Amino acid sequence: LAKTTQPISMDSYEGQEVNITCSHNNIATNDYITWYQQFPSQGPRFIIQGYKTKVTNEVASLFIPADRKSSTLSLPRVSLSDTAVYYCLVGDSGANNLFFGTGTRLTVIP
Amino acid sequence: DAGVIQSPRHEVTEMGQEVTLRCKPISGHNSLFWYRQTMMRGLELLIYFNNNVPIDDSGMPEDRFSAKMPNASFSTLKIQPSEPRDSAVYFCASRYGTGGSYNSPLHFGNGTRLTVT
Repeated sequence: LAKTTQPISMDSYEGQEVNITCSHNNIATNDYITWYQQFPSQGPRFIIQGYKTKVTNEVASLFIPADRKSSTLSLPRVSLSDTAVYYCLVGDSGANNLFFGTGTRLTVIP
Repeated sequence: DAGVIQSPRHEVTEMGQEVTLRCKPISGHNSLFWYRQTMMRGLELLIYFNNNVPIDDSGMPEDRFSAKMPNASFSTLKIQPSEPRDSAVYFCASRYGTGGSYNSPLHFGNGTRLTVT
């Protein structure tokens, strides 16, 4: 089971780009990297998933280096509504991509 | 798509009472998961089902907890008897796929906030 390490918290001003890095040194060949976002009083919400290189959608970008031992979630021009906890999960399509760590609490400051 | 639907949103009960939490997964999803979230322990996976069959219940804290999935559109998590330390937010999630190469993300409901006094 690939263990992930993320910063506990981050602060950013509105309009800034935010990069949250997740370390997963023992990622396995079949593992994907998945990021979720959780607002207070809501369940986690899927943001983005990738296997290698770069993935971009309407919400975020995910950068994965060649060795795949880390990944970076990039949120462009954050707003106050991006204040949330962000979780990085690593695993394959089976049962080992179901475990959430402590996540990164992002606070966006006006 | 109505998303994963959980009920009730809030439940307040006294210690010793039976509590039943309910979940309706997204139509077409064949895996269902129950999580518990507290400040101290974060998000914990309690149990999950594939095609209505319980696969792994190693996260269920005690025999007081039980979960059922009688059909593809309904699941319950029951606590009997409830204790104050069971106070938490309980989330249900579902996804499509039970394996293979496609890594389907989890879709969560908005949770049930349980308070046991």
